[in-house]
Amino acid sequence: NAGVTQTPKFQVLKTGQSMTLQCAQDMNHNSMYWYRQDPGMGLRLIYYSASEGTTDKGEVPNGYNVSRLNKREFSLRLESAAPSQTSVYFCASSPGPGVDTGELFFGEGSRLTVL
Amino acid sequence: GEDVEQSLFLSVREGDSSVINCTYTDSSSTYLYWYKQEPGAGLQLLTYIFSNMDMKQDQRLTVLLNKKDKHLSLRIADTQTGDSAIYFCAEKGSGYSTLTFGKGTMLLVSP
Repeated sequence: NAGVTQTPKFQVLKTGQSMTLQCAQDMNHNSMYWYRQDPGMGLRLIYYSASEGTTDKGEVPNGYNVSRLNKREFSLRLESAAPSQTSVYFCASSPGPGVDTGELFFGEGSRLTVL
Repeated sequence: GEDVEQSLFLSVREGDSSVINCTYTDSSSTYLYWYKQEPGAGLQLLTYIFSNMDMKQDQRLTVLLNKKDKHLSLRIADTQTGDSAIYFCAEKGSGYSTLTFGKGTMLLVSP
């Protein structure tokens, strides 16, 4: 069972370039999330999708867009990358509203550097 | 918004017990969690406790919850070098809500 799969694992961008981080889960979960992790800041929620067809902003959505492509896939797009977006990005999923304890299942992370 | 606080660093010797503490502000928390992150990896759930419980034990792990003081602790008995990692406390409010994470406590276990 793969769980939550993120691609790419590593990426280097120049300021102003765009890119999309892909995430897929094979656990038939309803909810999916994108977090960023920075030293001393812990995990901060960027966007989430409580169920297929819905997306909502989290704590730090500026500079990002998301697409819930289908139940399995949730992508995060940086339209014009900035050095402040250098971070480790984690995708996570959970069974969904009303059916779970809220436990999140995380991917291995995508390490992004913006020069 | 809601907040979760935890100390940033803890150092112990192999074989000792480790206690990692966490405080939170959400009075409507339903579940509280401890996640472990090893270097270069994602977070994995260690254990969770429902808010109407005050203790949960799982092998070497003991979770204590003081709901009145909004204080959560994780005790690891007989700590091993393989327990060296970052430990995150998180809480979930009522209904559908996203998790709020603390900044993480780095546990360093020395031989």
